[in-house]
Amino acid sequence: NAGVTQTPKFQVLKTGQSMTLQCAQDMNHNSMYWYRQDPGMGLRLIYYSASEGTTDKGEVPNGYNVSRLNKREFSLRLESAAPSQTSVYFCAGSRTDYNSPLHFGNGTRLTVT
Amino acid sequence: AQTVTQSQPEMSVQEAETVTLSCTYDTSESDYYLFWYKQPPSRQMILVIRQEAYKQQNATENRFSVNFQKAAKSFSLKISDSQLGDAAMYFCAYRSADSGTYKYIFGTGTRLKVLA
Repeated sequence: NAGVTQTPKFQVLKTGQSMTLQCAQDMNHNSMYWYRQDPGMGLRLIYYSASEGTTDKGEVPNGYNVSRLNKREFSLRLESAAPSQTSVYFCAGSRTDYNSPLHFGNGTRLTVT
Repeated sequence: AQTVTQSQPEMSVQEAETVTLSCTYDTSESDYYLFWYKQPPSRQMILVIRQEAYKQQNATENRFSVNFQKAAKSFSLKISDSQLGDAAMYFCAYRSADSGTYKYIFGTGTRLKVLA
């Protein structure tokens, strides 16, 4: 089972460049999420999609955009990368059930120079 | 808004010993779910255990158990017979059971070192 698949695993960007992080899941999750992980700050929610066709801002949405292309795919775009966006990014999915845990992808380490 | 606090940035335990990681949370809700995740050096996020707030019985998964104290808003993780493979970052997370709420809120994590 593939689960939640993120690409790429690593990426280096220069300030001002753009890129899209891809995420796909085959677990029939209704909800999908993008988090960033920074030392000492835990995981902070960037955007989420409660269901296909909807997206909402999380705690730290500035500088990012998302697209829920279909039920399986949820992409995160950085239009103009900044050094403050250097981080590890995780995509995750869950069922609608309240006791459903998040299932995570393996993360993308992004460095912006 | 709900918050999750892990006050121990780092803990150490001797192999085969028991260690408890602390997690407190703040909420005005009566129904919610709590989770512990493990993140080893591989960066993968692995679900360790989950607890439903309306269940008084503490959840247990093999060597992992929780001490859930709803009135104190505390959700600690106990690891018994610690193994070298338990060395990782551990994150506590909260999810509301309120209809229409989809967010999972994480603490800042505790790094666990296991000493041989």
